[in-house]
Amino acid sequence: DAGVIQSPRHEVTEMGQEVTLRCKPISGHDYLFWYRQTMMRGLELLIYFNNNVPIDDSGMPEDRFSAKMPNASFSTLKIQPSEPRDSAVYFCASSLRLASAEAFFGQGTRLTVV
Amino acid sequence: SQQGEEDPQALSIQEGENATMNCSYKTSINNLQWYRQNSGRGLVHLILIRSNEREKHSGRLRVTLDTSKKSSSLLITASRAADTASYFCATDARGGSNYKLTFGKGTLLTVNP
Repeated sequence: DAGVIQSPRHEVTEMGQEVTLRCKPISGHDYLFWYRQTMMRGLELLIYFNNNVPIDDSGMPEDRFSAKMPNASFSTLKIQPSEPRDSAVYFCASSLRLASAEAFFGQGTRLTVV
Repeated sequence: SQQGEEDPQALSIQEGENATMNCSYKTSINNLQWYRQNSGRGLVHLILIRSNEREKHSGRLRVTLDTSKKSSSLLITASRAADTASYFCATDARGGSNYKLTFGKGTLLTVNP
């Protein structure tokens, strides 16, 4: 398996534009996580899915952020409209099961909103 | 909010020396994990220790867990320049049906050749 695949690796966009980040988890993994990493706040859990169903989205900063998982092999994180403070590295991770689960991370998407 | 907090924030040592990083957390946990992140890359899992375990080894890594103090330590022995990275502890909070793997802000380890 190629691991968790994220695209794009880098995204530069203007304030107010819509941004869509994509993730392909490892096949067979039931859990998918979206994290955001910044120097100030570290690694924050935004939302996670179990079997394609959103379980906990309490980390989503505000209504401008939304995430979907239409099937077991694809998830998106959308920001609309984007703001400069959304600039961060966004990671997707997947894991096989709930307890005692090692999370496998993608390489991340570095988002810059200017 | 962060469940785990690593200490120190940064650590610089010479190749061959041991490196010790600490993690403190706030609520009861099922497991504690340590991850490594090289600059510009994703996190990579290193080791997992269960709440009923006190010590675990994996190669040059040694992890301890003290649930009474809500703390863990990661020891890297005989460090190498290639160990230079950020190290994070992650905890999954016990209780309820919700599962959250939350990370601290990490310790930046620099191993000088």
